[in-house]
Amino acid sequence: SQQGEEDPQALSIQEGENATMNCSYKTSINNLQWYRQNSGRGLVHLILIRSNEREKHSGRLRVTLDTSKKSSSLLITASRAADTASYFCATDNTGGFKTIFGAGTRLFVKA
Amino acid sequence: ETGVTQTPRHLVMGMTNKKSLKCEQHLGHNAMYWYKQSAKKPLELMFVYSLEERVENNSVPSRFSPECPNSSHLFLHLHTLQPEDSALYLCASSQVTNQPQHFGDGTRLSIL
Repeated sequence: SQQGEEDPQALSIQEGENATMNCSYKTSINNLQWYRQNSGRGLVHLILIRSNEREKHSGRLRVTLDTSKKSSSLLITASRAADTASYFCATDNTGGFKTIFGAGTRLFVKA
Repeated sequence: ETGVTQTPRHLVMGMTNKKSLKCEQHLGHNAMYWYKQSAKKPLELMFVYSLEERVENNSVPSRFSPECPNSSHLFLHLHTLQPEDSALYLCASSQVTNQPQHFGDGTRLSIL
């Protein structure tokens, strides 16, 4: 069954604006990851946040995790045209080998 | 360059053909994965190998047959595929399972 679900499905913003994407999941997790996929390419790992962490930063990326609400958000600040891509959250169930990906948010940043 | 190389990048085959997809990782990782990515659907995990042993087979039809001869190489053997099997097939690796994965750029498969 699908674990992570991203919201919105698509997002279009102007360069320089912030982009926020949300992810909800259903079961207990060890960690949650965010990936980016450019058109025609494989996924690239962006950031991992553990279940005992609430917030994590990496450059212009900020990820939050609320385990009580089973949700996470990815904030990209001061977006650039090069940030145009699909963004996926991925969760792993405790004790398993699976990392389950959501359907993704397609972000389009207009120059 | 992600350290994970997939060949071929594109493949067109008939439903009666037999072909193989190849994945090679140069990262010294111990876990390797096959995923199927179809339009407007979440990434579907197909198989997971850890230390060359298959640890996950996600209810994949038998017309897909994985092979992991060593920790650096992963194959997906294809036989008698259906049109709905047309998709992007992605290979990934990680140091161990449930750790960040490095993906190849995929094989775009089209079944005629």
